[in-house]
Amino acid sequence: NAGVTQTPKFRILKIGQSMTLQCTQDMNHNYMYWYRQDPGMGLKLIYYSVGAGITDKGEVPNGYNVSRSTTEDFPLRLELAAPSQTSVYFCASSSRGGRVSDTQYFGPGTRLTVL
Amino acid sequence: GENVEQHPSTLSVQEGDSAVIKCTYSDSASNYFPWYKQELGKGPQLIIDIRSNVGEKKDQRIAVTLNKTAKHFSLHITETQPEDSAVYFCAASIVGNQFYFGTGTSLTVIP
Repeated sequence: NAGVTQTPKFRILKIGQSMTLQCTQDMNHNYMYWYRQDPGMGLKLIYYSVGAGITDKGEVPNGYNVSRSTTEDFPLRLELAAPSQTSVYFCASSSRGGRVSDTQYFGPGTRLTVL
Repeated sequence: GENVEQHPSTLSVQEGDSAVIKCTYSDSASNYFPWYKQELGKGPQLIIDIRSNVGEKKDQRIAVTLNKTAKHFSLHITETQPEDSAVYFCAASIVGNQFYFGTGTSLTVIP
């Protein structure tokens, strides 16, 4: 199992550009999450999904969009990049299926800089 | 929502000494408390977790204690080794709901 994979690892964007951060998991987890991590701060939840076709906002959703067409993939879209979106982005997944299991497995992260 | 505070923000210990990191939470309904270790350039990795129906859990050199009345929980690492150097995050959640993370503790173990 590769676990949770993210691409790209690094990206520099200009203000106003758009991009999609990719996230894939091969553990057949139904829950997936996107977090951002700013220096000296904890992880803040951007969006999450409880299954294919279902997404919901987290603490800091403004400026982002997500979709979940398959169990494996959960891409994060930035439409008009702003300097405030400079951060490290982590994707995570967990399994909940009637049996409580809250362990979240994280990908290696994408470091995004908006100039 | 839940508010999780974590202290200290940085911690340096001599190899072989113990390290303790403390977190407090605000929502008495929270019942799941994981701890994550994040090494440089990597994603957070779960090292230990505890649920509100127990007061302490151990896994080799790592232990977590929970005081529900005071709403705080702590990570204890004994016999520290240089490979324990990393950033550690605590989190709190109500099972089935989102995690709320602390701001992290950067632990340095000095050989």
